[in-house]
This record gives sequence, C-alpha cells and structure tokens, in this order.
Amino acid sequence: GAGVSQSPRYKVAKRGQDVALRCDPISGHVSLFWYQQALGQGPEFLTYFQNEAQLDKSGLPSDRFFAERPEGSVSTLKIQRTQQEDSAVYLCASSLQDNTEAFFGQGTRLTVV
Amino acid sequence: GESVGLHLPTLSVQEGDNSIINCAYSNSASDYFIWYKQESGKGPQFIIDIRSNMDKRQGQRVTVLLNKTVKHLSLQIAATQPGDSAVYFCAESASLSGNTPLVFGKGTRLSVIA
Repeated sequence: GAGVSQSPRYKVAKRGQDVALRCDPISGHVSLFWYQQALGQGPEFLTYFQNEAQLDKSGLPSDRFFAERPEGSVSTLKIQRTQQEDSAVYLCASSLQDNTEAFFGQGTRLTVV
Repeated sequence: GESVGLHLPTLSVQEGDNSIINCAYSNSASDYFIWYKQESGKGPQFIIDIRSNMDKRQGQRVTVLLNKTVKHLSLQIAATQPGDSAVYFCAESASLSGNTPLVFGKGTRLSVIA
C-alpha cells in the first residue's frame, strides 16, 4: 500500500520481555517519527529520524527504549524488559520533510501483562 | 473496536450542521499547527495545517482559524457528516523542522447525530 505500515498490529508481552515494533514509512519520505499514545491522550513524541540519522531522542522515556533506522527507510522501536506502564499504542509517522504533513500508521497496540 | 479518548471533551452536532472544535496552546513561539482526525483503532489522519504567518486557511469543507493574540486555534467543519465522527487533535510545533517535534493537545470527540 501507499501508506505508513506498522507491524504487528497488536502485541501482548509478559512483563520483562523484549519487544520490537516495525514501521515501514511511505517510500521516499525522509523524516520518520515515533509517538506513544496512552488511552485517552494525544500522541506524545518519542524520537525523530532524518534518513538514517536519529536527530532527536529526547522523548524516549527510559534507556529501555531504543530506535533505529539503519538504511533510512524501515525503522524499529525496541523496548527491553517491558513494564506495565509501557502499555500504549505506538504510532509511527513519516513525511517528505520534517513536520509538514506527517502521515501516521495505524499503530501497534502493546499490552504488557 | 478499541476506543480512543474515553474521557475527552465531547461535541455533539446534528448532521448537516457546522462544527467548531477549539484548541488553546501555550507556546507563543509556536510556528506551525496541524489538525488531525483519529477514528477508533486508527492512526491520526492529517486534515489541514497552518503557519503562524496566516490567520485562516481553507480546505475541502474545513477551515482552520488561528488567533495568535490569545493563542487559540479552531477547526470548522461545514455540513458535518456521520463520517466526521472521530477524535480531533490539534498539534503545534515551534517550527517546521522535525527537530522541534509536534506537541499534541488532549483531543475533542466529535459525535454526529444522524
């Protein structure tokens, strides 16, 4: 498809497990963003890539969170030793350039039990 | 399906009426503003954006108004349709640069009564 694709759509993890969430941005989009959305809240910024360079990771809540985009296209958000407070929808967005018209994927709903 | 925004401010409008969704922002340095629509179980969908050097911008059935004096943003939807039912978020940024990430508001749930 032509949109941002995220997988898996749903993920249930036991507390302490590691998880990896994948984002396939729109082809040719330079900028890629990860957001975390708790139930009933707006998305909150986690990290930003321009091509393969991670230019801002100020929103990552702890050192258990790690993101990469090694070839400037697909990105992976990894969460180590998951905790219950990590339960949320993780959204990926991409744009041709920076913040302008960022297009979001459907998100991955992570539930830590 | 899953719900987005269980305890959000809610606006109920009759089908065919105009809707106005409001958003207050706090950062006087904000330069770029976007409205997103989020349906249950889906990611936010871009609706319309506006730069701080403008006070009004129109799209198809939507208009965004920006009042920098009182730091207020509004989204007007003309002839509201049942398909407009969703949670609407405003987002702001100090610049177009991705280095100044979008900050989202809490959202407003729009319910359209057929």
